[in-house]
Amino acid sequence: GAGVSQSPSNKVTEKGKDVELRCDPISGHTALYWYRQRLGQGLEFLIYFQGNSAPDKSGLPSDRFSAERTGESVSTLTIQRTQQEDSAVYLCASSLRGSGTREQYFGPGTRLTVT
Amino acid sequence: GQQVMQIPQYQHVQEGEDFTTYCNSSTTLSNIQWYKQRPGGHPVFLIQLVKSGEVKKQKRLTFQFGEAKKNSSLHITATQTTDVGTYFCAQTDSWGKFQFGAGTQVVVTP
Repeated sequence: GAGVSQSPSNKVTEKGKDVELRCDPISGHTALYWYRQRLGQGLEFLIYFQGNSAPDKSGLPSDRFSAERTGESVSTLTIQRTQQEDSAVYLCASSLRGSGTREQYFGPGTRLTVT
Repeated sequence: GQQVMQIPQYQHVQEGEDFTTYCNSSTTLSNIQWYKQRPGGHPVFLIQLVKSGEVKKQKRLTFQFGEAKKNSSLHITATQTTDVGTYFCAQTDSWGKFQFGAGTQVVVTP
């Protein structure tokens, strides 16, 4: 079946502009995660959505970052007034949530370059 | 919250050799998962361990969960160039939130 999809795959923007990244999780997955991965670095947690619960925003690095999720489907990550340090790959992942632990399925990521 | 520490950060391996990477926690883990990220790719789930002392094998990869459920290891035998990538361990807390280790980047020299 279809996996996690993200768009755009690449985004080049000028410093100070706003960008919106999209994630379509696997159908039926109630949990959705956003991560940031800088070149050669690990996964930096940004935000976690679980069903209708309030999202865990503890990883958002500043108030320029925000994310929304429509029900248990698509999510958008918005970065306002982009800075050069925002350049990274933004990964989205989804998983089932229920009894036991379910593995995460990652999308291909959006490579953001801020010039 | 709980954190998982991975060592080593980098692993240079000669093709054909064995190596082990470790994932450690100061607190008891309910579970541990391992992911592999190939260069330029995204992380892909490999395995999940839940039981104390659990050992699982996938061809040349052996995964182990410690008896105290505070550490885990990934052992690769007869390393091949296809093993190149970064290996992450991850655990979930009671809210279902995943916490990833920093990863072990593996480089294989022919």
